[in-house]
Amino acid sequence: EAGVTQFPSHSVIEKGQTVTLRCDPISGHDNLYWYRRVMGKEIKFLLHFVKESKQDESGMPNNRFLAERTGGTYSTLKVQPAELEDSGVYFCASSQDQGSAYEQYFGPGTRLTVT
Amino acid sequence: RKEVEQDPGPFNVPEGATVAFNCTYSNSASQSFFWYRQDCRKEPKLLMSVYSSGNEDGRFTAQLNRASQYISLLIRDSKLSDSATYLCVVRSAGFQKLVFGTGTRLLVSP
Repeated sequence: EAGVTQFPSHSVIEKGQTVTLRCDPISGHDNLYWYRRVMGKEIKFLLHFVKESKQDESGMPNNRFLAERTGGTYSTLKVQPAELEDSGVYFCASSQDQGSAYEQYFGPGTRLTVT
Repeated sequence: RKEVEQDPGPFNVPEGATVAFNCTYSNSASQSFFWYRQDCRKEPKLLMSVYSSGNEDGRFTAQLNRASQYISLLIRDSKLSDSATYLCVVRSAGFQKLVFGTGTRLLVSP
């Protein structure tokens, strides 16, 4: 069974540009999460989808970040316009259901560098 | 103050050694507790969940002290392949988001 996949693996953009990250969860997983790790800091939660609905977006840093999950399958995270402090590794995770009995499986991450 | 605190290390130990990591959490509403492992430039992977009664998985033993809001991980008979960053992770009741510590780096040498 394929794991969580993310695209691209790396992205280097200039400040002010737009970048869109994609996440494909494990097939059949209704729950999809975005996290990010900025340099020197801990991994932090951004938001949680259940199917196509945003259940918790309390971690989204500001309105330059837009996450979508049309159709309840893959998700995109757009940063527009990108700022230097957006640099970091963006992880996507998915789980079959909610609750601690259901492991969140992480993708390999997208390393974003804003110059 | 960070919600989950860990000693960043690194912990340098020889093969075969026993090593222990500690973690404290500040949110008393935390309900679920985990240790994740992250290899360099890789994604975090669940190592084990932590239960109130303590639990063991092979060479790994996890303990939880709810009164002190303290979690520990003990690794016995360290292997070279145990070298990684160990992340302490908690989840609050009613929420699905995971809250991570910054991680403790372990280096096991021959």
